[in-house]
Amino acid sequence: DVKVTQSSRYLVKRTGEKVFLECVQDMDHENMFWYRQDPGLGLRLIYFSYDVKMKEKGDIPEGYSVSREKKERFSLILESASTNQTSMYLCASSLGGRRVASEQFFGPGTRLTVL
Amino acid sequence: DQQVKQNSPSLSVQEGRISILNCDYTNSMFDYFLWYKKYPAEGPTFLISISSIKDKNEDGRFTVFLNKSAKHLSLHIVPSQPGDSAVYFCAEGIGNEKLTFGTGTRLTIIP
Repeated sequence: DVKVTQSSRYLVKRTGEKVFLECVQDMDHENMFWYRQDPGLGLRLIYFSYDVKMKEKGDIPEGYSVSREKKERFSLILESASTNQTSMYLCASSLGGRRVASEQFFGPGTRLTVL
Repeated sequence: DQQVKQNSPSLSVQEGRISILNCDYTNSMFDYFLWYKKYPAEGPTFLISISSIKDKNEDGRFTVFLNKSAKHLSLHIVPSQPGDSAVYFCAEGIGNEKLTFGTGTRLTIIP
C-alpha cells in the first residue's frame, strides 16, 4: 500500500513566522503535490513536482515555496505566515509518466492555524 | 474562474436508495475524470475513474457516467450505505497528471 505521511496533523503558528510542512511518500512515486482545502473552495493546487529538484506552480502559489531535494520528500514552506493561510494542507503523490485516469494518493492532512 | 463545479454542496439520501452526485466542467481538453471520497480528518481516497473515450465505468456499487457533449460527470451509488457518508470531490486531468478538483459535495446517508 502507498503511504503518504505528513509531519504534523495540527499546527498553530503566529503571523510572520516561517512554517515548514513536510511530506514523505514510500512508493518511489515521481510526482508530488501540495493542495489546500477550504470550505466551499474544494482542493486547490499550490505547487507540484515531477522530479527531484523540479517544481511547478499550481493555481495558488503566492505566499508559498517548495523544496524537493529527495524523491520521497516534498516540503511546503510559508515564508511569512499570514492569517489567510489558515487552512487544511494536503500532500499527494502519484506514479508518474503519462497515464490515463491517474490516481493520486493523499496524506492525512495538516490543519494549520495562523494567529 | 472555477473550471470544475459541483453545484450541490450537500445531499441527503435514504439508506438503500440511489445517490447521484454531479459535476460540470468547462475545459473540453480534460481527458480523464476521477472521483475521490473524503472522511473528516483524513486525506481524500480514490474511488473510481473514467477516461474521455468512455461514457460509463462501473465498480461494484459505484458507477461513473460521462456526457462529453454536456461536459457533465456523475457518480451513482447504489444501494447507498451509511459508510458512504463523506465529502465527494470530482477531479479532471489532462495527460500530465495535474488534476483540477471540484468544490465537493457532502453526502449524508440517512439510516
